[in-house]
Amino acid sequence: EIVLTQSPGTLSLSPGEGATLSCRASQSVSSNNLAWYQQKPGQAPRLLIYGASSRATGIPDRFSGSGSGTDFTLTISRLEPEDFAVYYCQQHGSPPPWTFGQGTKVEIK
Amino acid sequence: EVQVLESGGGLVQPGGSLRLSCVASGSTFSDYVMSWVRQAPGKGLEWVSVTGGRGGGGTYYADSVKGRFTISRDISKNTVFLQMNSLRADDTAVYYCAHNSGYSWKYYFDYWGQGTLVTVSS
Repeated sequence: EIVLTQSPGTLSLSPGEGATLSCRASQSVSSNNLAWYQQKPGQAPRLLIYGASSRATGIPDRFSGSGSGTDFTLTISRLEPEDFAVYYCQQHGSPPPWTFGQGTKVEIK
Repeated sequence: EVQVLESGGGLVQPGGSLRLSCVASGSTFSDYVMSWVRQAPGKGLEWVSVTGGRGGGGTYYADSVKGRFTISRDISKNTVFLQMNSLRADDTAVYYCAHNSGYSWKYYFDYWGQGTLVTVSS
């Protein structure tokens, strides 16, 4: 089972600033099959990125994903008020079990 | 776009059973790969189970629920079920149903329901 570790646990930033979230895997993720999700309080998660760098339908281009092997990054170029949320990574490079990181909370400074 | 709607959550005693339902929109439901993902209060996401589509059918379970939970589908009703037996306090969570996309069991979750709360308590 691949263990995903996200850092930092909490990111305190102001609207308009950029955010860089990290996700590290305990072993190489096949074909860079890593996804990112956004979750707001009381809501279901929303898919942002799959395959490490492909944006899901309707996701603004201020969200971008990068990385390969064991190290992946989600970048939000300029934080909008609606971007303050918890972000999870998930590996989809192998058959189940699929695993998630523990989450990074992006909060308003 | 696939719309997903869960139901069936509630309060159950330890050792009890509960069946969750998930209705998904679309005319190709038999091809859908569908999962259950749960989230304990204040915690992160945990994948629970998946059922494959017609092309590559099969089911998988997380070790934490293997032998206690069973996933199934009724194609005529566009519905996926999660039968949960021998429930424990640590099964308390919001259970989300989600549609999977990807290939060869390398799937991510692209459409999610709003979730249904399961509380296991005496």
